[in-house]
Amino acid sequence: GAVVSQHPSWVICKSGTSVKIECRSLDFQATTMFWYRQFPKQSLMLMATSNEGSKATYEQGVEKDKFLINHASLTLSTLTVTSAHPEDSSFYICSAKRDRDPNEQFFGPGTRLTVL
Amino acid sequence: KNQVEQSPQSLIILEGKNCTLQCNYTVSPFSNLRWYKQDTGRGPVSLTIMTFSENTKSNGRYTATLDADTKQSSLHITASQLSDSASYICVVSVHWHEKLTFGTGTRLTIIP
Repeated sequence: GAVVSQHPSWVICKSGTSVKIECRSLDFQATTMFWYRQFPKQSLMLMATSNEGSKATYEQGVEKDKFLINHASLTLSTLTVTSAHPEDSSFYICSAKRDRDPNEQFFGPGTRLTVL
Repeated sequence: KNQVEQSPQSLIILEGKNCTLQCNYTVSPFSNLRWYKQDTGRGPVSLTIMTFSENTKSNGRYTATLDADTKQSSLHITASQLSDSASYICVVSVHWHEKLTFGTGTRLTIIP
């Protein structure tokens, strides 16, 4: 149990376009999901906390108008990178919390974004 | 400032050998410490999770230890296999807080 999926697994887009990444909890409901970004040879950096039915909470330095997060259901959160630029190229990973495991986060497989 | 430091940064060992990875943290108040394995291009997968009162926890060939007094943890891998090649990340959480503090990881390479 506690499987988290992401779609797509990789995406290449042109500079200036927008890209949507989906994060789904497949076998449990997730009131809270998290979005991370990971650059090569670096650790995960939390971008924002996504709560179902409310606005996301963004970490300092993360532009909320650029990284739009929607958590419309208990099993789906989406991250939209708007007007993507090459410096947005990174590995984006989501995680989800399950109510019965308040101390655990279950990570998705990640999405590799490359902006040309 | 809450920090998690790992050593070594990278490690190369022969298949079948054992190895130990280190993690030091300054996170307070401490809630729990987890070790994750992250294959290249994949999300982290949990190996072990330990709370303040736990000194050791095993998961197959992986054994994690925790010394809450010195704020140190180690991950010992026994009889390494080629599939153990990955990054191993130490993650510490603050009591009653959702955010995790990630270490920079140890890149482990197993060679035949």
